Amino acid sequence: QQQVKQSPQSLIVQKGGISIINCAYENTAFDYFPWYQQFPGKGPALLIAIRPDVSEKKEGRFTISFNKSAKQFSLHIMDSQPGDSATYFCAAMYSGSRLTFGEGTQLTVNP
Amino acid sequence: GAVVSQHPSRVICKSGTSVKIECRSLDFQATTMFWYRQFPKQSLMLMATSNEGSKATYEQGVEKDKFLINHASLTLSTLTVTSAHPEDSSFYICSARDSKQETQYFGPGTRLLVL
Repeated sequence: QQQVKQSPQSLIVQKGGISIINCAYENTAFDYFPWYQQFPGKGPALLIAIRPDVSEKKEGRFTISFNKSAKQFSLHIMDSQPGDSATYFCAAMYSGSRLTFGEGTQLTVNP
Repeated sequence: GAVVSQHPSRVICKSGTSVKIECRSLDFQATTMFWYRQFPKQSLMLMATSNEGSKATYEQGVEKDKFLINHASLTLSTLTVTSAHPEDSSFYICSARDSKQETQYFGPGTRLLVL
């Protein structure tokens, strides 16, 4: 019930392409879904987050799509750049709970 | 976004010694702080949750006598790895939850190497 499943485990995209990472959850009590970006040797940094009252949120090149009925959400990175190469973690929580993380996706953007 | 600092960023110690890692929220008050451990190419593993002024809540399998956590103020939490052994070598990351909202911000991490 607390799991968040993330796919793919790794992703290679050409510069300028679209990177798509998917997550699925089981616990319908989750009401906050952040995405974190982590570079090697650094802590995760909050990238973008969404609540289930909206189906999409866009910030610059990063978009979260949320499908409440399917219990799925995804991160889209438009015009992917080599500097976007990092590990991305989706997460989920409900008020007062801890974050439940996905397994992570290692993104490589080739120049 | 909000800033969380960790100190030290890297530490090398001999087996049997104790190491203290500090986590500070620099521009917000954090009633709750979290300590994670991360192995290479893996996700973050929550070790414990600490609330200001009360005892930490440890996850199953985490030895509370080995990993001492103190959350003495709204901006500072410390993790002490007591009698460290080589298997404790890892990347330790703290995070702090802004008391005014749900957002959780992470520190830059501390790389611990026990020889």
